[in-house]
Amino acid sequence: KNQVEQSPQSLIILEGKNCTLQCNYTVSPFSNLRWYKQDTGRGPVSLTIMTFSENTKSNGRYTATLDADTKQSSLHITASQLSDSASYICVVSQNSGNTPLVFGKGTRLSVIA
Amino acid sequence: EAEVAQSPRYKITEKSQAVAFWCDPISGHATLYWYRQILGQGPELLVQFQDESVVDDSQLPKDRFSAERLKGVDSTLKIQPAELGDSAMYLCASSFLSPTLNEQFFGPGTRLTVL
Repeated sequence: KNQVEQSPQSLIILEGKNCTLQCNYTVSPFSNLRWYKQDTGRGPVSLTIMTFSENTKSNGRYTATLDADTKQSSLHITASQLSDSASYICVVSQNSGNTPLVFGKGTRLSVIA
Repeated sequence: EAEVAQSPRYKITEKSQAVAFWCDPISGHATLYWYRQILGQGPELLVQFQDESVVDDSQLPKDRFSAERLKGVDSTLKIQPAELGDSAMYLCASSFLSPTLNEQFFGPGTRLTVL
C-alpha cells in the first residue's frame, strides 16, 4: 500500500534553533517528493519539489534531502523563526499521469521565543 | 501572483442542511482538485477534474457529496445533507496538467463546522 509516514508528529523548538523533520514513503513507482508548509487555517504552500535524481534542494532556510534508495526524505530548517510555526506535509507522487498524490499526516512545528 | 480562490472561508451549518463551496483555480490550470482535511491529518482527495470531466471521484461520498465544473473553470462542491462528521477544512487545488508533472497550488480553504 502506498503510504507516507512523517515523524515526529509534533515538535517544539526555541527560536533560532535548527530542526529536522523526517519523511519515509512506500510509494512506487516514484515520481517526485514535495514538502509543503501549512499555516493554521490556511492551504498548503509548496517549499520544495525533488525528483528521483535530486538528493538535495534548498529554499531559503529550508533544505530538503532525498534518498530514493532508502525512500527517505528530510526537511531541515535553519535558524528557526516564530513564523516557521506551522504543519509541514510530505507529499509523494507516483510516476503516472493522473494518480493521486499520497500525503503524509504532517509534522506540527511550534517555534517559541 | 496568481492564486486559487475559495469561498466562503468559514461556514457554520446545522446537520441536515445543505452547504456549497466555490473554487476558482489559477487561470489556465486544467486540473482541479477538491480535498478534505481533518484537523491533524493530511488532505484526502475527494474529486479530481481534468477540464470539465471527472477523473477520479472514488473517495467522494456520492450519497451526499456532489461536485461540478461545468465550464471547465470554476467548481462547486456541495454537501446535502451535512453531517457532524463532515466538519473539516475543504481545500481546492489546481495544476497546469497532471499532478505528477506539475505542482499543485492550494487555495486558502473553507473551514466547515457542522453543529
